Amino acid sequence: DQQVKQNSPSLSVQEGRISILNCDYTNSMFDYFLWYKKYPAEGPTFLISISSIKDKNEDGRFTVFLNKSAKHLSLHIVPSQPGDSAVYFCAASAGNNDMRFGAGTRLTVKP
Amino acid sequence: NAGVTQTPKFQVLKTGQSMTLQCAQDMNHNSMYWYRQDPGMGLRLIYYSASEGTTDKGEVPNGYNVSRLNKREFSLRLESAAPSQTSVYFCASSEGWYRETQYFGPGTRLLVL
Repeated sequence: DQQVKQNSPSLSVQEGRISILNCDYTNSMFDYFLWYKKYPAEGPTFLISISSIKDKNEDGRFTVFLNKSAKHLSLHIVPSQPGDSAVYFCAASAGNNDMRFGAGTRLTVKP
Repeated sequence: NAGVTQTPKFQVLKTGQSMTLQCAQDMNHNSMYWYRQDPGMGLRLIYYSASEGTTDKGEVPNGYNVSRLNKREFSLRLESAAPSQTSVYFCASSEGWYRETQYFGPGTRLLVL
């Protein structure tokens, strides 16, 4: 039973436009959420996180939004760049590092 | 500073064979993890070691054993490999066990025939 779901396996956007990646979760105990980015033949790298006490967190071109009532979070990348092309994983935990990951969304940014 | 290293990069096993995946980190982290990644499933936690001297089961521990050899090294053993264990295995480490960023190794691709 997947507790974290990324329903879009892939997303393609034009360079300079906004990329929006979505993630839904089912476990109401989750209170810490992260996004990881993964290039081929490499391990995932941490991108950005958000605690359940916030509804938004920004880091440069990356912003994560959390809607607790809908159990939904999203990652916005503005503006998108070709180097952002990768697989993005959403992850969630109930305060510790025992995380549940989504299946990932492959983002392609076209020049 | 190599971060998290894993050996081997790729391995082919026959059903029933055993092997140990090695992981080492040079960041003086306390916590270490083993994940597997399967198509359409994301990463799933197999075992973790919240601190040196402790190990605990994660989401999918069956068929695996682990050893936290010292603070730097955390190995994953498959005693009798099965085709269902064909996967990409990632080791990760973090400074602590609570809301700490995890740093991942490059992965080991395992094929069990």
